[in-house]
Amino acid sequence: DTAVSQTPKYLVTQMGNDKSIKCEQNLGHDTMYWYKQDSKKFLKIMFSYNNKELIINETVPNRFSPKSPDKAHLNLHINSLELGDSAVYFCASSQLYSGGKTQYFGPGTRLLVL
Amino acid sequence: TQLLEQSPQFLSIQEGENLTVYCNSSSVFSSLQWYRQEPGEGPVLLVTVVTGGEVKKLKRLTFQFGDARKDSSLHITAAQPGDTGLYLCAGDMEYGNKLVFGAGTILRVKS
Repeated sequence: DTAVSQTPKYLVTQMGNDKSIKCEQNLGHDTMYWYKQDSKKFLKIMFSYNNKELIINETVPNRFSPKSPDKAHLNLHINSLELGDSAVYFCASSQLYSGGKTQYFGPGTRLLVL
Repeated sequence: TQLLEQSPQFLSIQEGENLTVYCNSSSVFSSLQWYRQEPGEGPVLLVTVVTGGEVKKLKRLTFQFGDARKDSSLHITAAQPGDTGLYLCAGDMEYGNKLVFGAGTILRVKS
């Protein structure tokens, strides 16, 4: 009955590889987000989709490409992984226009690039 | 420079002590949220404050929103080891569609 789920939970890969992280929410929310949390625990928004449309695209390298096949899913594909991409990536969802911006977070994907 | 300055960054206290975490900004927020994150998990919402001067209580936790809606504080009375975790404040900008997070306060309560 997990509200926001992410896979995988851990991802260890070599520099230069391409990898994807998947996210699904069963809360019926209209908006989904990707956040990056660095080693100092700072949480920064990367992307936001509202009803499958991109509404926030922060200053993120082009190597990161989000895809939202439907309202309940938001995936993150990363090309040519770099050492600096190592972090915890959180997916979140909210009901943007009727429920405020209370974020419901997934458990995170711990990415380690070697 | 971060939009939301959160302090202190780290706090290590004994069980039973009181503590306050601050979140300050020069920007006005339409609301401010406090989250708690435990190791290996995502942040979980504790409270949302909306009105300037608002005070909300959640058991031993007291949250206050500044009159000008630019700052907030979280006060914990008689801290317990179960309060250990990362506390994050997040401001809802009056314009835009995103939350801005503070850098977080790592709290450790020793028994």
